[in-house]
Amino acid sequence: GAVVSQHPSRVICKSGTSVKIECRSLDFQATTMFWYRQFPKKSLMLMATSNEGSKATYEQGVEKDKFLINHASLTLSTLTVTSAHPEDSSFYICSARTGTKGDTEAFFGQGTRLTVV
Amino acid sequence: GQNIDQPTEMTATEGAIVQINCTYQTSGFNGLFWYQQHAGEAPTFLSYNVLDGLEEKGRFSSFLSRSKGYSYLLLKELQMKDSASYLCAGADSNYQLIWGAGTKLIIKP
Repeated sequence: GAVVSQHPSRVICKSGTSVKIECRSLDFQATTMFWYRQFPKKSLMLMATSNEGSKATYEQGVEKDKFLINHASLTLSTLTVTSAHPEDSSFYICSARTGTKGDTEAFFGQGTRLTVV
Repeated sequence: GQNIDQPTEMTATEGAIVQINCTYQTSGFNGLFWYQQHAGEAPTFLSYNVLDGLEEKGRFSSFLSRSKGYSYLLLKELQMKDSASYLCAGADSNYQLIWGAGTKLIIKP
């Protein structure tokens, strides 16, 4: 299957700093990537849909200025958590689909465990 | 509104069979996915159903009834490594995935 690589897998940062998470599709071109956040024992929560060459589409309640998404190329999307606070600590996961039809499965990156201290 | 319901937790015995149910309500329907997620890891794809019936893939099978808005994942010959969360996700009319909270499956020897 297709491979999506996410980096870093774990990061600890101080309050007020920014953290950048990278998501790369290694063997296919992903015009669309998705960023999720997952709290313990909770469902995946879609934060935004990242489109190559255009602005990301954010879900209701997600702060655009806090969670900056850049989709610079067909194989790379980045999520930057700006001015991080302890409540931003969570598991962040990116995914990409190889097509737009309903039966195209979503391939996930490894996830990033962010801890803000 | 759109909603996916599945049990929070289930327990089963090694070597046995377990069925994890999922009911869905989506705006339009473009299929039902099952994913497996081990603790601290990203989900991995298990199955996709868009037509009614049973899809079998090794020890895992998935069933869909569109008229009932219902799906289940059947795991046979359970192994300890099957201990994980199982996520049900429905694709709506825009092909956006609506996720359930996941069912934590605990396997006992």
